[in-house]
Amino acid sequence: GESVGLHLPTLSVQEGDNSIINCAYSNSASDYFIWYKQESGKGPQFIIDIRSNMDKRQGQRVTVLLNKTVKHLSLQIAATQPGDSAVYFCAENIPGTASKLTFGTGTRLQVTL
Amino acid sequence: GAVVSQHPSRVICKSGTSVKIECRSLDFQATTMFWYRQFPKQSLMLMATSNEGSKATYEQGVEKDKFLINHASLTLSTLTVTSAHPEDSSFYICSASLAGDLSTDTQYFGPGTRLTVL
Repeated sequence: GESVGLHLPTLSVQEGDNSIINCAYSNSASDYFIWYKQESGKGPQFIIDIRSNMDKRQGQRVTVLLNKTVKHLSLQIAATQPGDSAVYFCAENIPGTASKLTFGTGTRLQVTL
Repeated sequence: GAVVSQHPSRVICKSGTSVKIECRSLDFQATTMFWYRQFPKQSLMLMATSNEGSKATYEQGVEKDKFLINHASLTLSTLTVTSAHPEDSSFYICSASLAGDLSTDTQYFGPGTRLTVL
């Protein structure tokens, strides 16, 4: 079946550098995407979302880019900090599925000093 | 805002017993709540969708008689793992969607419940 997937299972970034976490989705009908951050032993924390009528959205130190042509989603974190170390999941919502989310496999971000 | 709590945060039980996990939306009303389970180093897998006042909708492969879900109010949903076995040991996470807000499908997650069945 269709699913959301990630290219890199682990990403190591030096403190202060920018991080880019990628996600490929396969369902062209998906119209809403969310990035979540999950720290060890905790529930996912909402970071940023984007709808399919946009290709870029910015938050505080984070930017999400959506390329519908190649069905690709990315999360950019500026000036990565040790507190950004966590597992990041992208999730997609398909219209008509009552807000159900399909999660990707996750990328672990390790911030080195 | 949009805070979701879960209780308990950790539970250890003997095989064959039942365990109830509560999920509460603290500062908003949630028409819909979702229950996920997560195995170590894996992603979240949706178990069921719970709507206030109606029966839950279970995902394929999830036993509805084993994982009982009740959504009695707009702020509370419960998941009961009946006759738990060691293979049910997992991290159970709930989420809630804001009621009445059709412009967003954002789910807010609880902190999770670590279930260990001996």
